[in-house]
Amino acid sequence: DAGVIQSPRHEVTEMGQEVTLRCKPISGHNSLFWYRQTMMRGLELLIYFNNNVPIDDSGMPEDRFSAKMPNASFSTLKIQPSEPRDSAVYFCASTKTGSYEQYFGPGTRLTVT
Amino acid sequence: DAKTTQPNSMESNEEEPVHLPCNHSTISGTDYIHWYRQLPSQGPEYVIHGLTSNVNNRMASLAIAEDRKSSTLILHRATLRDAAVYYCILVVSGGSNYKLTFGKGTLLTVNP
Repeated sequence: DAGVIQSPRHEVTEMGQEVTLRCKPISGHNSLFWYRQTMMRGLELLIYFNNNVPIDDSGMPEDRFSAKMPNASFSTLKIQPSEPRDSAVYFCASTKTGSYEQYFGPGTRLTVT
Repeated sequence: DAKTTQPNSMESNEEEPVHLPCNHSTISGTDYIHWYRQLPSQGPEYVIHGLTSNVNNRMASLAIAEDRKSSTLILHRATLRDAAVYYCILVVSGGSNYKLTFGKGTLLTVNP
């Protein structure tokens, strides 16, 4: 299995631009999580989906952030417009019902200048 | 949410055992104790979890105090590859969804 796949691995953009991060969960997994990691705040859960439905988005910082999961094999996290304080590493993770083990992707390092 | 307390950092020598402590004095009866670790420049990875009894797997052992207010992750022979941040996390059991709330973890340094 290829594991959780995230793209791009690195993204550098200017303030005000739209950024889209992508995630492909492990096949057969029905829960997907988006996390953000910064030095100041550590690892934070942004949103998670179960069977493609958003269950808890209380961690999404503000309306500039949105996430979708159109099917079981793909999810996006969009930031529009981006700001320098959004600079962080964004991780996607997946798991399946009944399993307590979350599998994390390699992350996307976002830099907003 | 029940909180965990871990030392900020620990140091070990290669091929020696490492005991990583975690305090969770407000743990509830339905909370599982999970450990994840994050190697440099990688996403976190699952290490082990338990409820009441001690647990062993190929990566580590988890020793849980009888009152469940503390636990210890044991790496039996540390290698350089074990240098990472180790997170102790309480997870509510049951249901099909669960959230991981990461604290600051313990930065483990392994000396050659």
